This record gives sequence, C-alpha cells and structure tokens, in this order.
Amino acid sequence: AQSVSQHNHHVILSEAASLELGCNYSYGGTVNLFWYVQYPGQHLQLLLKYFSGDPLVKGIKGFEAEFIKSKFSFNLRKPSVQWSDTAEYFCAVKPSGTYKYIFGTGTRLKVLA
Amino acid sequence: GAVVSQHPSWVICKSGTSVKIECRSLDFQATTMFWYRQFPKQSLMLMATSNEGSKATYEQGVEKDKFLINHASLTLSTLTVTSAHPEDSSFYICSAIRDSNNEQFFGPGTRLTVL
Repeated sequence: AQSVSQHNHHVILSEAASLELGCNYSYGGTVNLFWYVQYPGQHLQLLLKYFSGDPLVKGIKGFEAEFIKSKFSFNLRKPSVQWSDTAEYFCAVKPSGTYKYIFGTGTRLKVLA
Repeated sequence: GAVVSQHPSWVICKSGTSVKIECRSLDFQATTMFWYRQFPKQSLMLMATSNEGSKATYEQGVEKDKFLINHASLTLSTLTVTSAHPEDSSFYICSAIRDSNNEQFFGPGTRLTVL
C-alpha cells in the first residue's frame, strides 16, 4: 500500500538552529509532493509543492524542500528557524494522474525562544 | 484565488443529534471535493470523495450512513454527521480540486464537539 513516512514525530530546536524534516514515500511512479504547516489552532497552509522541474523547491516563510527521486524523499529544510515556526508539519504525496493525497503522520516542531 | 470556506468553524452538539457542515469553493468551481477527519495530534485521514451530481465515494471503514455527503452544486459540498456521539468529536476538513493538476485547496476546518 502507498504510504508516507515522517520519521521525526517531535522536534525541539532553539531559535536560529537549522531544520530538516524527513519525508519518505512508497510509490514507484510519478508523484506530486507537498508540505503543509498547521499552526496551533489553525488550518492547514501550503508551504510548498513539487509538480515537476527543479527538484529544489522554495516555499513561503524561508522553507525549501528537495525532491530526491532515487531516495523517494522530499525533505523540508529551513536554515534558521524562528519561534513562530512552532507548528505541526505534514508531508503529502499525490500519485500523478490521481487526486488522492496521502498524508504523513506529521512532525510537531517546537522552537524555543 | 482558490479559496475554500467551511461553516461553521466550530459546533457543539448533544449526543444523538445531527450536524451539517458546509464546504464552499468561493472563487472557483469544484467538481470534486474531499472530506478529511483529523483527531487531536494526528494526521488527516481521508473520509470520502465528493463528486458533484453523484454519490460520494467513501474510504474503507467510514460509515456512509453516518457521514452523509451531498455535493449538490459545483461550489458546495455538505457533510452531515448523523446521530452524533462523543467519539465523532474531531476536526473535519474539506478540500476542493480547482484544475487539471488535481491540486487540493483546503478549507479552514470545522471542530465538532459532541457532548
């Protein structure tokens, strides 16, 4: 079955630290990839997405992600986190040609001021 | 563009009552919408796919008689939780597809609390 793994369930960082959140998926075909953020008590917001082209995708709020096809990965990065980045982050995969999203279990990030 | 709204944003109801949640695509037409459920501190789980003018497609394990979905127009899908029980308390999120990329645009969610 298709699945998305986010191995880091909880991450605690100090402000200005660098962030990398892992996302791996199990699907052999072409995929579209997404990272969403959910701030406490708020709704999902799209951080960035990959459909095709440059595998290094830049999103909002200084986030970026790199699609490595050979590793079935789409890790999220930010060079320097801020306290306001405290939130839950979800990776989602959509096999190309379909409309269903498969969400990862989420990573809860806490940034200490 | 691609704004999806939900109403209400939160609702509290008594056990045994039914609750209707609306999902609207405000600036585009959506032939396909989705309903997700998110338990506290968990990920989104797809409940069903709502297609305009036809019956919804439910995911395995989702009771279609309990979670009634109606997609009567290209901009509105409704989810009715019938005979709600405390275990139905959750965050319900809808999304809609706008274009051929099949990218989903998410609503802000509805928090249901059943007493």
